[in-house]
Amino acid sequence: SQQGEEDPQALSIQEGENATMNCSYKTSINNLQWYRQNSGRGLVHLILIRSNEREKHSGRLRVTLDTSKKSSSLLITASRAADTASYFCATDPIFSGGYQKVTFGTGTKLQVIP
Amino acid sequence: DTGVSQNPRHKITKRGQNVTFRCDPISEHNRLYWYRQTLGQGPEFLTYFQNEAQLEKSRLLSDRFSAERPKGSFSTLEIQRTEQGDSAMYLCASSFTEGVYNSPLHFGNGTRLTVT
Repeated sequence: SQQGEEDPQALSIQEGENATMNCSYKTSINNLQWYRQNSGRGLVHLILIRSNEREKHSGRLRVTLDTSKKSSSLLITASRAADTASYFCATDPIFSGGYQKVTFGTGTKLQVIP
Repeated sequence: DTGVSQNPRHKITKRGQNVTFRCDPISEHNRLYWYRQTLGQGPEFLTYFQNEAQLEKSRLLSDRFSAERPKGSFSTLEIQRTEQGDSAMYLCASSFTEGVYNSPLHFGNGTRLTVT
């Protein structure tokens, strides 16, 4: 089952523009993670934001987290053709039992046109 | 750190045959996940291990699927009596967990299964 849902499903922008992707999730979380996947490859971790953080930056990436709305956004600034990929959010949920599994959203397919 | 390794990269099999995939995680990682991904979808959770213990198996998985992680090192995922609906990319990931701290997941490049 998918825990998160990304929006939009697909996004096409010109090189140099900013790209914003949104993620909504359902349960309380320890942290939320964003991953990138190039076609036919495994996923690569981009950035992790903990439940007590509201914003985090890494290079051209900016992630925000609103736990009251159970949503997060990923902003890629000054996009490049090499940013073309699918982007997924993943949630690490809180369970009182101690064990938890990371589950993924449905993804946003980003195309950056040179 | 040589990363997560999955073998084979591709597997083509006939319906009804059994297949087995292998995953070698990052050696310091104690948690290992298996996911399945179909075209245009996100990774779907199958099962995961902490050391050699299998903590959870998806309710969506039929009894034809079984996974092991002997000695808490590499893991195998076996699918018996394959069906065409099993065609997908099978992804393995590993992470380090201590208490409430979970590191991000490190993924292998997956095994693409095609059932004809």
